[in-house]
Amino acid sequence: DGGITQSPKYLFRKEGQNVTLSCEQNLNHDAMYWYRQDPGQGLRLIYYSQIVNDFQKGDIAEGYSVSREKKESFPLTVTSAQKNPTAFYLCASTQRGGEAFFGQGTRLTVV
Amino acid sequence: GESVGLHLPTLSVQEGDNSIINCAYSNSASDYFIWYKQESGKGPQFIIDIRSNMDKRQGQRVTVLLNKTVKHLSLQIAATQPGDSAVYFCAENPGILTGGGNKLTFGTGTQLKVEL
Repeated sequence: DGGITQSPKYLFRKEGQNVTLSCEQNLNHDAMYWYRQDPGQGLRLIYYSQIVNDFQKGDIAEGYSVSREKKESFPLTVTSAQKNPTAFYLCASTQRGGEAFFGQGTRLTVV
Repeated sequence: GESVGLHLPTLSVQEGDNSIINCAYSNSASDYFIWYKQESGKGPQFIIDIRSNMDKRQGQRVTVLLNKTVKHLSLQIAATQPGDSAVYFCAENPGILTGGGNKLTFGTGTQLKVEL
């Protein structure tokens, strides 16, 4: 079955550590996205990539980094520069002009 | 567009009533619009979509209305059920026709609560 998979589902980070969230899709979609969601709030765009080896900053890119070396994969690194990383992170993919398919999310907590 | 730092507006309806959820979008060049449903702790799921050459589209118990003049989108849910309780987001995609690339932008979202 085609879909988009995020891992892990839950992630704990110590202050000052970098962590990487995985996002893989087998839908053959060109575009992939990372969103951050805080409790009771909407989705905020962190980074997006429209094609392999290319990505653009979204609205809240500071403290995050991404790579797009393969079409299927778009990992997100939360760096120590992100001062308030505790949130729910959602990855999505779309074909050009089409609907987005979402993963089930990763809940990141700073301990 | 996004309302960073603001909590989601809430719509409370009685079971069996119709629900109407509204969304204002920002890009007059957007040509594709989508409604998503997000249950607690899960990723958003597609409900219904509409392209800019239409002003209404119906699905099973759901209808989306598009008013391009005022850049307004609405989702109507008929005979609302307890399982409809969730957060609903609209999204716009400039798509290929407008040269806006493929950047999906979400609205703030609305929390729908169904009362028994």
